[in-house]
Amino acid sequence: QVQLVESGGGLVKPGGALRLSCAASGFTFGDYYMSWIRQAPGKGLEWISSTNTGGFNKYYAVSVKGRFTISRDNARNSLFLQMNSLRVEDTGIYYCARLFEDEVEGLRVDQIDFWGQGTLVTVSS
Amino acid sequence: QTVVTQEPSLTVSPGGTVTVTCASSTGAVTSGYFPNWIQHKPGQAPRSLIYSTTKNRSWTPARFSGSLLGGKAALTVSGVQPEDEADYYCLLYYGAGRWVFGGGTTLTVL
Repeated sequence: QVQLVESGGGLVKPGGALRLSCAASGFTFGDYYMSWIRQAPGKGLEWISSTNTGGFNKYYAVSVKGRFTISRDNARNSLFLQMNSLRVEDTGIYYCARLFEDEVEGLRVDQIDFWGQGTLVTVSS
Repeated sequence: QTVVTQEPSLTVSPGGTVTVTCASSTGAVTSGYFPNWIQHKPGQAPRSLIYSTTKNRSWTPARFSGSLLGGKAALTVSGVQPEDEADYYCLLYYGAGRWVFGGGTTLTVL
């Protein structure tokens, strides 16, 4: 069965850096787009980044662009999120998700099907 | 800045029917936004219920359905069960790999 397991969360000071990992199993990792989504305490879900199957195309929300970098290692079935210049408002649970392609009226878009359990990132002095 | 709006909270009786809607600040929501609906219970991983407006995931109970309603995306739950109490999020696609979540709707079954 599909499993996504995030790791690498923890406590970091503002301005610091952290690298999150997502270990995938139960499917052919290199065949799927992947994403990172987060949830700040008491707030809703926020899409922050996605990457295509080869890792060459990367997409970011405005809130993290220029500070966060998504990457993947298909040989190791792993997705990563390098987070630099962290801010207090980056605090939250970070989820990794798999995307599955669907076509509607000639348009093909990759959409989330499976989610990991999340890893907690706390940015505080 | 794109804003996706949902009802903050809804209450429904067991066995009843409830509809959650999802509006975009850019205008009417169409199938081209590929509306998704996600269920999230406290302490659990989120779970995707519906994609491409109307398509249920294989694990989604048949009482959940998606549609377009009056320029919005909609999630309808018919015959609500106590275990349906959760937060529900819509997710819309704005092109170039960019997605935006709605603010979420807390569904209370009372």
